Amino acid sequence: AQRVTQPEKLLSVFKGAPVELKCNYSYSGSPELFWYVQYSRQRLQLLLRHISRESIKGFTADLNKGETSFHLKKPFAQEEDSAMYYCALSPNAGNNRKLIWGLGTSLAVNP
Amino acid sequence: GAGVSQSPSNKVTEKGKDVELRCDPISGHTALYWYRQSLGQGLEFLIYFQGNSAPDKSGLPSDRFSAERTGGSVSTLTIQRTQQEDSAVYLCASSLGPRGYNEQFFGPGTRLTVL
Repeated sequence: AQRVTQPEKLLSVFKGAPVELKCNYSYSGSPELFWYVQYSRQRLQLLLRHISRESIKGFTADLNKGETSFHLKKPFAQEEDSAMYYCALSPNAGNNRKLIWGLGTSLAVNP
Repeated sequence: GAGVSQSPSNKVTEKGKDVELRCDPISGHTALYWYRQSLGQGLEFLIYFQGNSAPDKSGLPSDRFSAERTGGSVSTLTIQRTQQEDSAVYLCASSLGPRGYNEQFFGPGTRLTVL
C-alpha cells in the first residue's frame, strides 16, 4: 500500500541547532516526493520537491530510494522556521495521481 | 492570476444543520482536492476530482458528506446534518493534474464550527 510516515508529531529545537524532519514512504514505483509547509495563519504551500534538487530557505531533502526516505534537513534552524511540515508522495504515472500525505510534524524553534 | 479561493472563510452553524463550502480553483487546473484539518491533527484527505473522471470519494468520513464539481471548475462540499465532530478547517487545493508535476495550490480554508 502507498503510505507516507512522519514519525515525529512534534519536534522542538533551539535556534541555530540542526534540524531533521523525518519522512519515510512505501511505494512500489518511483514516486515524486514533496515537502509542504504551513506557517501560522498562512496557507499550506509547497516548500520543495525532490526533482528540483534545490535548497529553499536553507532546507534540503534528498530522496534515498534504498531507505525509502525523504528527510528534510536544515543545518541551522531559525525561529521563523517554526511551522507545520507535511511530506507528500505523488505517483509518477497514471491518471489518478492523488497525493499521499503524511500526518505532519510540528516544528518549534525556540530562542 | 488569482490563487485558489474558498468561501466562506468562517462558518458557524448549529448541530443538525446543513452547510455548503465553496472552492474556486486556479483556472486551467484539472485536479481539485478537499481536505479536512482538525485541531492538532494532520491533513485528512476527503475527495479528489480529476477532469471528467469519476471522483475519488474514498476519504469521505460518512454519507453526510458529498461534493460536486460543476463544469470542471467550482466545487461545493456539502455536509448534511452537521455534528460537533465536523468542526475543523476545510481546505481545498487544485493542481494541473496528470500533465503537470502535480504541485498542489491551497486555498485559505473555511473554518467550520458546529455548536
